[in-house]
Amino acid sequence: GAGVSQSPRYKVAKRGQDVALRCDPISGHVSLFWYQQALGQGPEFLTYFQNEAQLDKSGLPSDRFFAERPEGSVSTLKIQRTQQEDSAVYLCASSLASGFSYNEQFFGPGTRLTVL
Amino acid sequence: AQRVTQPEKLLSVFKGAPVELKCNYSYSGSPELFWYVQYSRQRLQLLLRHISRESIKGFTADLNKGETSFHLKKPFAQEEDSAMYYCALTYLNFGNEKLTFGTGTRLTIIP
Repeated sequence: GAGVSQSPRYKVAKRGQDVALRCDPISGHVSLFWYQQALGQGPEFLTYFQNEAQLDKSGLPSDRFFAERPEGSVSTLKIQRTQQEDSAVYLCASSLASGFSYNEQFFGPGTRLTVL
Repeated sequence: AQRVTQPEKLLSVFKGAPVELKCNYSYSGSPELFWYVQYSRQRLQLLLRHISRESIKGFTADLNKGETSFHLKKPFAQEEDSAMYYCALTYLNFGNEKLTFGTGTRLTIIP
């Protein structure tokens, strides 16, 4: 079956532009996570959705970052007024959620954002 | 706050030699530990988790709570093991099992 998909795969933005990154999770997966991976670093947690509810946004680095999942399926990560330090690979992951045991997170291919 | 440390950014090993990728963690509570792998031009994927006590592709990892370590081992390296390896931890949290990753180790198997 289809895995997690993300679009676009590559995005180049001029400093100050707004960008929107899309994630299509695996059908039926309740949990959705966004991570940011800077060059040479491991992925870092940004935000978590359970269905349409954003339950944890503790990792968002500034109020320029905004995420939504209005119908509990597709999610969009928006970055306003992009800065050079926003350059990174943005990963989306989804999982079933039982709340009683760890459910494997399945990762998308990522969107590589370059801010000039 | 939890933290995962992978001291080696790069590791080169000859084919057939043993492999050990180091991972240490700091934590509060009872974390679950994982190894994730990313092969060239592929997405990040789960290799193994400590709770399942499995051997995947010949790799094993033992959780040492006293030393707070979760090193990944394989007795005989194969060329297809060349990849980026990430150690990660999480806590059960009613679905919000956000992962904390180390910085990764790039393993290269020399033919």
